[in-house]
Amino acid sequence: QVQLQQSGPGLVKPSQTLSLTCAISGDSVSSNSAAWNWIRQSPSRGLEWLGRTYFRSKWYNDFAVSVKSRITINPDTSKNQFSLQLNSVTPEDTAVYYCARCNRCVAQGIISFFDYWGQGTLVTVSS
Amino acid sequence: DIQMTQSPSSLSASVGDRVTITCRASQSISNYLNWYQQRPGKAPRFLIYAASSLQSGVPSRFSGSGSGTDFTLTISSLQPEDFATYYCQQSYSTPPTFGQGTKVEIK
Repeated sequence: QVQLQQSGPGLVKPSQTLSLTCAISGDSVSSNSAAWNWIRQSPSRGLEWLGRTYFRSKWYNDFAVSVKSRITINPDTSKNQFSLQLNSVTPEDTAVYYCARCNRCVAQGIISFFDYWGQGTLVTVSS
Repeated sequence: DIQMTQSPSSLSASVGDRVTITCRASQSISNYLNWYQQRPGKAPRFLIYAASSLQSGVPSRFSGSGSGTDFTLTISSLQPEDFATYYCQQSYSTPPTFGQGTKVEIK
């Protein structure tokens, strides 16, 4: 059974960096069939995919255009986890942030889905 | 990006009712369509993939159908634990996108 455990602060000041970590059990961040994602949810934006990291002989990242200039997602193979950093946050970045596994991801002609999710972290951007 | 539109945004129903939720994609996505359930304060739960395939452990009262741009999620006999918000999501192209959700409330 795959489990994703999120950690990180719930309050970030405007212009600072939001940092969250997602620890994986039951699978490997280096899996050749999964991708490891960050998704956020807010009343104004709904469920919004932010980006992913995945390993297919080498490491790849994909990011949403809306955050591409501000986002970093890094795998940590030594701890079997991955992290999110979002720079220069504003109150519009206030949301519940989820990590999620995308199964059968990034493969041509194969339907992928988010089958395991972290518990969610409410991050409030406020001074 | 592919836009996903759900209808209705909310509905009221009673235990035992048959409920149908619709999801429409802004362009054809074949059957690259997934459904999730979200209870208040919880993460989304994966229900259905490829428009009509039930994830392991999901009750058989849930079913999905559709292809191209129009999809439906049906709950054949609503149970108390089914009162939640339901989301569709396309995996046809990057970025993956979600519908705005349909809240199923108790009548």
